[in-house]
Amino acid sequence: QVQLQESGPGLVKPSQTLSLTCTVSGGSISSGGYYWSWIRQHPGKGLEWIGYIDYSGITYNKPSLKSRVTMAVDTSKNQFSLKLSSVTAADTAVYYCARQIVVVPGAMVNRFDPWGQGTLVTVSS
Amino acid sequence: QSVLTQPPSVSAAPGQKVTISCSGSSSNIGNNFVSWYQQLPGTAPQLLIYDNNKRPSGIPDRFSGSRSGTSATLGITGLQTGDEAEYYCGTWDSSLSAHVFGTGTKVTVL
Repeated sequence: QVQLQESGPGLVKPSQTLSLTCTVSGGSISSGGYYWSWIRQHPGKGLEWIGYIDYSGITYNKPSLKSRVTMAVDTSKNQFSLKLSSVTAADTAVYYCARQIVVVPGAMVNRFDPWGQGTLVTVSS
Repeated sequence: QSVLTQPPSVSAAPGQKVTISCSGSSSNIGNNFVSWYQQLPGTAPQLLIYDNNKRPSGIPDRFSGSRSGTSATLGITGLQTGDEAEYYCGTWDSSLSAHVFGTGTKVTVL
């Protein structure tokens, strides 16, 4: 059974870069049929999709965040990562990594399963 | 501000049925599959329904989904105290070029 686990600093200063890693266990990140996504949830609020990366390193990010987002994949460690630059208090959220099921390559279907447990990142000086 | 609108809360007694609506537009629900997620307190969301009405293995048939036009509905029958959670709809929005989620609905078992 595939499991995902986020890791990274829980506190980031304004204007700095938020960096998180998601470790995948119980399955290979290189297996086809999946995109590896980041989703965040502001305190007490709903869910916001950030973007995804596939095993080959191809990324697709939410247009409104695209200029600040960098994603990478390390298949040797079965990990993928998120960097969000120039953070502000508005980026304070619980960040989840999740596996997105791909039915047809390039066709976007909202089907995230499973999710990591999430990690709270607070932006504050 | 989500493009998918859900009622803030619904409630019912144990054993009863609740339905949760998710209202969108032709750029999202109207032309893309809808999923539903359950988020128990203090935990990560879990996929409950995908492709409008399919259940992943392990999800009981008390949970059902449907889509009509630009709206979708999640139904929960035989309500249990363990169903108390926040429920979110989700789909792809072709205009925004992004996955979008609903505003969330809190289910309370009376």
